[in-house]
Amino acid sequence: DGGITQSPKYLFRKEGQNVTLSCEQNLNHDAMYWYRQDPGQGLRLIYYSQIVNDFQKGDIAEGYSVSREKKESFPLTVTSAQKNPTAFYLCASSGTAQLTSGNTIYFGEGSWLTVV
Amino acid sequence: QKEVEQNSGPLSVPEGAIASLNCTYSDRVSQSFFWYRQYSGKSPELIMSIYSNGDKEDGRFTAQLNKASQYVSLLIRDSQPSDSATYLCASRSKTNAGKSTFGDGTTLTVKP
Repeated sequence: DGGITQSPKYLFRKEGQNVTLSCEQNLNHDAMYWYRQDPGQGLRLIYYSQIVNDFQKGDIAEGYSVSREKKESFPLTVTSAQKNPTAFYLCASSGTAQLTSGNTIYFGEGSWLTVV
Repeated sequence: QKEVEQNSGPLSVPEGAIASLNCTYSDRVSQSFFWYRQYSGKSPELIMSIYSNGDKEDGRFTAQLNKASQYVSLLIRDSQPSDSATYLCASRSKTNAGKSTFGDGTTLTVKP
C-alpha cells in the first residue's frame, strides 16, 4: 500500500540523548515535512525538503536536524539541544504541482516522543 | 498576526445540525487550501482541498473559498457524533518554496 511510514510510534528519550525518528514514503513525492504538535496545539513546522539533498528550516528548527539522502526518506534527529522535546511528531509528504491534487500534504501516523 | 487563523473553539452543535468552521489567511499569494480532520491522538486526515473561488461539495462536506476576502470555510451538514474532532485549515503558497501553513485548529463536538 502507498503511504507514509513513521517509526517508532512511541519513543522515550533520556536527558542528554539524541534520538532519530524515521520517516519513509512510497508515494513518489518530492516534498517532505516534519511537524511538531504539543497537546491541544496546532502543527508547527520543524524542517522541510523540496528535493533530495536539500532542506530548509521551518519555524522551530532549533535542536533538530534532518537529512534527505534519498527521495523516499527524511529522518529527524532530536538532539540534546532540544530542551523540551516531549510532543507528537508528524512526518508528511506532498507533490510539488500547483493547483492540483498533487500538492496535497499527506501525513504519517505520527511518533510520540517522551523525555524520561 | 498568524498566517492562518481559525475561529476559536470549541464549537458544539447538536446531531443533525450544520457545523460551520471558518479560516482566514494573510498571504495573498496562497493558492491551495485544505481542510483536515484530526481525532485525538491521531494524525490529520484530508477532508477537502479547494483551489478556486466558490464552493466545492463532497458528500456532507462543503468547502467555500473567497480569495478577495482571504477566507475559507468548511460546512458539515447533518453533523454526526463521529464528526467530533479537531479541524485544521491549511494554506499553501506559490512562493516560499510552496511551504504549507496550518491554523491551530477548531475543536468540534457533535452532541447526540
